[in-house]
Amino acid sequence: EDKVVQSPLSLVVHEGDTVTLNCSYEVTNFRSLLWYKQEKKAPTFLFMLTSSGIEKKSGRLSSILDKKELFSILNITATQTGDSAIYLCAVEDNSGYALNFGKGTSLLVTP
Amino acid sequence: GAGVSQSPSNKVTEKGKDVELRCDPISGHTALYWYRQSLGQGLEFLIYFQGNSAPDKSGLPSDRFSAERTGGSVSTLTIQRTQQEDSAVYLCASSFLQAVNIQYFGAGTRLSVL
Repeated sequence: EDKVVQSPLSLVVHEGDTVTLNCSYEVTNFRSLLWYKQEKKAPTFLFMLTSSGIEKKSGRLSSILDKKELFSILNITATQTGDSAIYLCAVEDNSGYALNFGKGTSLLVTP
Repeated sequence: GAGVSQSPSNKVTEKGKDVELRCDPISGHTALYWYRQSLGQGLEFLIYFQGNSAPDKSGLPSDRFSAERTGGSVSTLTIQRTQQEDSAVYLCASSFLQAVNIQYFGAGTRLSVL
């Protein structure tokens, strides 16, 4: 059975810290890996990664995929209280539709 | 609309009642997905629509769950004879093309079965 595991499950940091969130996967016929940020409501799309070793970057957030070792990391530098959220990792197989989600990492950034 | 719209945002019902949840996808998106998010769990895939047809219903937890999509747009998820274990947030997502499957999510319906 396909599996996506995120770590840590929860994390508390101070404003200004840098955090690294991890996502490992065992998915047959991998197609892409996606990161979402979920605050109180709708998960919002952050990144889609398909190729190994190519970093995607948006402001203070960046992510990279390692298809050989089957994992991805999401980095957030100079964290702010507004970064507090659940970060979800999802992997798409070649079915072309279903996303397999991890349980998420709950991040709390304190002032 | 600008984003995926779901209604109601919250629903409280009594055990044994039927409920209907609605999803209005982003205009032009051909694919629509339903997921369930239970406390402490990841999102669980329920069903996928391409146009009005549902090629994969395997994620529906039981025969009390059904979904339909009409006109290639709005979808409804119906849960009959609700049970307490059905309590969860039901999320809907839509995407434009399967080739680049970035799914955009609605805010969800929080269902509480008493």
